[in-house]
Amino acid sequence: DTGVSQDPRHKITKRGQNVTFRCDPISEHNRLYWYRQTLGQGPEFLTYFQNEAQLEKSRLLSNRFSAERPKGSFSTLEIQRTEQGDSAMYLCASSFSQDQEAFFGQGTRLTVV
Amino acid sequence: GENVEQHPSTLSVQEGDSAVIKCTYSDSASNYFPWYKQELGKGPQLIIDIRSNVGEKKDQRIAVTLNKTAKHFSLHITETQPEDSAVYFCAARRRAQKLVFGQGTRLTINP
Repeated sequence: DTGVSQDPRHKITKRGQNVTFRCDPISEHNRLYWYRQTLGQGPEFLTYFQNEAQLEKSRLLSNRFSAERPKGSFSTLEIQRTEQGDSAMYLCASSFSQDQEAFFGQGTRLTVV
Repeated sequence: GENVEQHPSTLSVQEGDSAVIKCTYSDSASNYFPWYKQELGKGPQLIIDIRSNVGEKKDQRIAVTLNKTAKHFSLHITETQPEDSAVYFCAARRRAQKLVFGQGTRLTINP
């Protein structure tokens, strides 16, 4: 068990480009969460999955954002037509079940220039 | 929905002294309250949590207390050490729902 893994750790992109991040949860964890964190703030919820089903999406998740967890294992978060306001740390977390502890990955830091 | 307020936003204590961080929550149905420690450039690390059926939990130098009536919970760190310097986040969750985080407390331990 190597913990929650996120790739890449850092991403710099030009405004208007699309980016995709990957999250590999802890093995056998059914729940997978995506959060966004800006400097000096707490993590803000974006969306979560129970196995392959996306159960909830935040209002923060505009139509430029899409997340998938096709086989109930790894997940991807795609941002289309990036804007400077998308610059943030994108965090993934997983838990064994709906009421268990959530463990976070190291995050992907996105910078939109 | 749930709203979590955390205080103070910054806290500076002398090495060896105690540190206390407080959070209040709004949703009386919340039943799970974790605390995370985040170091620069890293993801949040779970350090302790408490569920609504207990009032206090300890793990070595760290303790968390919960007052369900007042809807607040606190993190207590005793005998602070330089490696305790980090940003700490509280969170609250209703059963089977997402975690809602506080705004964070930057703790600095002065040698």
